[in-house]
Amino acid sequence: EVQLVESGGGLVQPGGSLRLSCAASGFTFSSYAMSWVRQAPGKGLEWVSVISTSGDNTYYGDSVKGRFTISRDNSENTLYLQMNSLRAEDTAVYYCAKREASSSSYYYMDVWGKGTTVTVSS
Amino acid sequence: IVMTQSPATLSVSPGERATLSCRASHSVRSDLAWYQQKPGQAPRLLIYGASTRATGIPARFSGSGSGTEFTLTISSLQSEDFAVYYCHQYNNWPLTFGGGTKVEIK
Repeated sequence: EVQLVESGGGLVQPGGSLRLSCAASGFTFSSYAMSWVRQAPGKGLEWVSVISTSGDNTYYGDSVKGRFTISRDNSENTLYLQMNSLRAEDTAVYYCAKREASSSSYYYMDVWGKGTTVTVSS
Repeated sequence: IVMTQSPATLSVSPGERATLSCRASHSVRSDLAWYQQKPGQAPRLLIYGASTRATGIPARFSGSGSGTEFTLTISSLQSEDFAVYYCHQYNNWPLTFGGGTKVEIK
């Protein structure tokens, strides 16, 4: 069974840092690009970042560019999100998601973890 | 690309048909997915490629459209279908989601 389990969330002060992890199992992790998506309390979904299979290519949403860094360890089947200079508006549930290729060769997110909660507050 | 979903809330009786709309500000071809989210749960993939049901998704869910106009239809609403539905385009960076349509019991 394909499974993604996020961890590392918690309460952090504005300006602080946090590193999220996403442990993958049930599939060949190194063969799939991965994403982070977040959801602020009571709000919709917001894409955060994507990383390629090797980790060589990364993409970020404008709201986190320059502050967040996505990475992966294929030997440990784990995805990471390093979050620096955190702001109150970064408060959200953070989901990791596996990317799958469609027939058009573009990638959708097919499997999602249950999420980890990040709260930025003093 | 801005994704606009309508209506924001849809009140439907069990057994009735529900039609949800999603409009893209620019063409996303058929690179459009639909997700279902229940309170306290992660999103669940329903449809990708605008019209292909994901594994295990019941046939009462169907998607259509291409370019800028898309529709998710639930042919006969079951109690477990009351949830929030999001469309998502994966054709262009940045990846974007619609604001969601909440399907509630009438």
